[in-house]
Amino acid sequence: EIVLTQSPGTLSLSPGERATLSCRASQSVSSSYLAWYQQKPGQAPRLLIYGASSGATGIPDRFSGSGSGTDFTLTITRLEPEDSAVYYCQQYGSSPLTFGGGTKVEIK
Amino acid sequence: QVQLVESGGGLVKPGGSLRLSCAASGFTFSDSYMSWIRQAPGKGLQWVSYISSSGSTTYFADSVKGRFTISRDNAKNSLSLQMNSLRAEDTAVYYCATTRWFGTLLYFFDYWGQGTLVTVSS
Repeated sequence: EIVLTQSPGTLSLSPGERATLSCRASQSVSSSYLAWYQQKPGQAPRLLIYGASSGATGIPDRFSGSGSGTDFTLTITRLEPEDSAVYYCQQYGSSPLTFGGGTKVEIK
Repeated sequence: QVQLVESGGGLVKPGGSLRLSCAASGFTFSDSYMSWIRQAPGKGLQWVSYISSSGSTTYFADSVKGRFTISRDNAKNSLSLQMNSLRAEDTAVYYCATTRWFGTLLYFFDYWGQGTLVTVSS
């Protein structure tokens, strides 16, 4: 089973700043089959990125994904107050699919 | 727009049963793969079960295999999860989600419902 480790655990930044979230896999993720989700308090997760770098429908271009192999990054440029949430990565390249533990982004 | 609305959650005693439902609209349900994913209070996400568009293929996480059953009614745009022999560790918010298939047990999840809380406690 591929273990996904997300860092940092919490990120506290000001509006307009850039957030860089890391997702590291214990083994190489096949075909860059990695997705990112955003979950705001009391809400369901929302798909942001799939295939490591493809934006989901309706996602602002402030959100971008990159990486391959074992290291993946979600970047949020120009943070806005509504970006306050927990962000999860998920790999679907190797069975069983697995989720990371999440990174909480706080807006100061 | 895609809408998924779960229902059926509640408080149940250990060993009891519960049936969750998910009403779908805004997309062609009969063409869509579907899954259930759960989230224990304050914890991360765990995939629970998958069903193919026709309902002929289903998969379950090891933790629920033999206890949970997934089904769908394409005529009613409805997805269900029958949960038997419930345990305290099944306590979670259960989400239904549309599913993009990349292979057996390999998916990601496009659209999610708002979830329904299942609490297993005596």
